[in-house]
Parts: sequence; structure tokens; C-alpha cells
Amino acid sequence: DGGITQSPKYLFRKEGQNVTLSCEQNLNHDAMYWYRQDPGQGLRLIYYSQIVNDFQKGDIAEGYSVSREKKESFPLTVTSAQKNPTAFYLCASSPRQYTGELFFGEGSRLTVL
Amino acid sequence: QQPVQSPQAVILREGEDAVINCSSSKALYSVHWYRQKHGEAPVFLMILLKGGEQKGHDKISASFNEKKQQSSLYLTASQLSYSGTYFCGTESQSGGGADGLTFGKGTHLIIQP
Repeated sequence: DGGITQSPKYLFRKEGQNVTLSCEQNLNHDAMYWYRQDPGQGLRLIYYSQIVNDFQKGDIAEGYSVSREKKESFPLTVTSAQKNPTAFYLCASSPRQYTGELFFGEGSRLTVL
Repeated sequence: QQPVQSPQAVILREGEDAVINCSSSKALYSVHWYRQKHGEAPVFLMILLKGGEQKGHDKISASFNEKKQQSSLYLTASQLSYSGTYFCGTESQSGGGADGLTFGKGTHLIIQP
């Protein structure tokens, strides 16, 4: 079945450690996105990529980094520079040149102790 | 800037109707609506493009007032399965390409038997 796979689903880390969240899609979509969700805040865009080897900062990119070496993969690294990294992270993809329907993964819940 | 959703929360009895509003300060190209159940990924409901068209499926429909940069989601004869948090996501006309959506903070909808 086609879809988006995020891993891990739950992750616990100590302060100061970098963490990488995986996002893989087999939908053959060009565009991929990372959103952060906090209670009462909705979804906020971290980074997005419209094509392989290219990505753009979203609204809250500070403390995060991404790569897009393959069309199907868009990993997100939460660095130690991110001041409040505990959150629910959602990866999404879209098939169209202009933002069409977003297909979301199941999310990764990161807790920094 | 995030679009503003209202109300923040609404509690209904099964069979009652609800309206959720989404308002933006930017000129919009499209408005998207998603529903999220607790702990799950958001699920796409519909897209409305500029032109003021109204869309719907089953008993959920939506409208988009391009002049006012407002969209409304209408849920008629609500069912228990409609419970969840509803998000509008907007795409501004200033964006080019698949820049992703800017989401509102969400409206919590609780349907009681």
C-alpha cells in the first residue's frame, strides 16, 4: 500500500542531543513537508522540499535541519539548538506543483528530558 | 501569519449542525480543510480554490469567500464520527509552487449521543 512512513513513533532524548526523525514515502510525490504540532497551536511548517536536493525554510526552521537526497526520503534533524523540541512532528507529501492534498504520516512524538 | 479559526471548541448533540469559520489577513489562493482525531494524523476533507466555489461530500460542505478571505465548513446532521479537531490550511497568492499550507489553531468538535 502507498503511504508515508514515519519513524520512530515515540522518541525520548536528553537535552543537548541531536535527534533525526525519518520520513519515507512511496507515493512518488515531488513535494514533502515537516510540520510541528503543539497543543493549541495547530500545525506549523518547519521545512519543505519541492524537488530532490532542494529545500526551503518554513515558519519555524530555527534549530532544525533537513536533507532531500532521494525523492522518497525527507529526514528531519532536531538539533541541540532547538530550545523547546518536545512536540509531535508530522511529515506530509503532496503530488502537485501547487499544494494539493497533503498526505500525512502517523507522526513522531519527541520528548526531551 | 496563521489564519484565525472560530469557534475554538463546540459541543453538539448527534444530529445537530455546526459551522466552523476560517479567516485570513492575506489574499488566498486556496483553503484546505482537515480533520484530526486524537493521536492520529490529519485527514484531508476538501480543497477550495479562489473563485468562491462551494464543495461538499456526504454531509460536510465548505465555502470560500475570496473577497473576504474567509472560508466556512458546514457539518449537517452531525454524526459521532465527526468528532475531532478541524483545521483550515491556507495557501496565499504570494506563494509560488508547493510552499505548503499555513494552518489555523484548530476547532475542537465534540459530538455527544
